[in-house]
Amino acid sequence: AQKITQTQPGMFVQEKEAVTLDCTYDTSDQSYGLFWYKQPSSGEMIFLIYQGSYDEQNATEGRYSLNFQKARKSANLVISASQLGDSAMYFCAMREAPTYTQGGSEKLVFGKGTKLTVNP
Amino acid sequence: DGGITQSPKYLFRKEGQNVTLSCEQNLNHDAMYWYRQDPGQGLRLIYYSQIVNDFQKGDIAEGYSVSREKKESFPLTVTSAQKNPTAFYLCASSIPPSRRGISTEAFFGQGTRLTVV
Repeated sequence: AQKITQTQPGMFVQEKEAVTLDCTYDTSDQSYGLFWYKQPSSGEMIFLIYQGSYDEQNATEGRYSLNFQKARKSANLVISASQLGDSAMYFCAMREAPTYTQGGSEKLVFGKGTKLTVNP
Repeated sequence: DGGITQSPKYLFRKEGQNVTLSCEQNLNHDAMYWYRQDPGQGLRLIYYSQIVNDFQKGDIAEGYSVSREKKESFPLTVTSAQKNPTAFYLCASSIPPSRRGISTEAFFGQGTRLTVV
């Protein structure tokens, strides 16, 4: 069974500083994908970054980077140069690769999220 | 513009009534999902569908039903059997991983906030 753990219910960071949001996952599959989403107070879910289990390089997208440590099963999100608009909920999610025997696992499973507050 | 539309944005239901939440997408995605979000619980998967006329239960399917008669539409019915339906409901769609690999992200609608009164 998939499981995503985000141990930080809330985080605070000063504007322009970097912050790391933790995510650990549990899977017995070798092939899987990890995603981070941002949810502002409006409720929409915004895709931020993706990391594949076979990717050798850590993923980066602008100010977002993913610190992927496969042996530790962690996929922490790093936000550099925080901005006030970064204040939101952040969710880590995982999808396992579909297999012919299972008929395809389309499930995208989420953690409970971390509420990030950026202070001026 | 392509996207996912959920309606209504706010919905009020009396106890004992069934209510249907709409989700429409024009992204030509095969896979669609319904999630429920409660404070402190993150997103929990209710149902998902990989193709038309097929769907599977997620982790919290009891008290809910879905249909997938068209590729573009995946409505969710919250039945009277759902004991605590007050929550924020999110619909999402994606190209199935079986076609593009597991890297395909899901796109979400704006959500429907359901309140039982």
